[in-house]
Amino acid sequence: QQPVQSPQAVILREGEDAVINCSSSKALYSVHWYRQKHGEAPVFLMILLKGGEQKGHEKISASFNEKKQQSSLYLTASQLSYSGTYFCGTETSGNTPLVFGKGTRLSVIA
Amino acid sequence: KAGVTQTPRYLIKTRGQQVTLSCSPISGHRSVSWYQQTPGQGLQFLFEYFSETQRNKGNFPGRFSGRQFSNSRSEMNVSTLELGDSALYLCASSFGLKETQYFGPGTRLLVL
Repeated sequence: QQPVQSPQAVILREGEDAVINCSSSKALYSVHWYRQKHGEAPVFLMILLKGGEQKGHEKISASFNEKKQQSSLYLTASQLSYSGTYFCGTETSGNTPLVFGKGTRLSVIA
Repeated sequence: KAGVTQTPRYLIKTRGQQVTLSCSPISGHRSVSWYQQTPGQGLQFLFEYFSETQRNKGNFPGRFSGRQFSNSRSEMNVSTLELGDSALYLCASSFGLKETQYFGPGTRLLVL
């Protein structure tokens, strides 16, 4: 079951914040976040396991709400380098493959 | 440490032909997954292999097949190509199952 990402696209000015959501209709085992820049391979950002933990990577952090079956990616004080398409990948159990959402295109402008 | 490599990087085929794509994982990684990426559809899961065994298969027709060799290298094959098969095919490797996946640059396939 493919997770649903929102918004589909967002445009920010440098320094603004953004939140990208990833929702599943099934209970989640883990959530993986990746960023893909145009013409490049997706790059791993972080992984969250069930338990409601929050992780951070510089000014990018994420939370995992097991009860709501969703994860959110937080980008604070955005930089031009944050531009790209963000994908969440979810696993619903230890035996299921990683299934990705359709992505959220983030554009940061000066 | 070298990253995931995929060959060829670009490929042009005509309808009805078949194609084989290759993926060499990061040294020491035993798990390889394949994804198809098309505009608007994101990353669609194709296969997952671990130690030469197919662990999971996505919702794709039987024209799509794959395998993994004893050195963890993997190939995927698409027979009787259709126009809709035009896409970027990405391979990702991980040390074990359920671990961080590292993506290769992909093979861009164009079917005419």
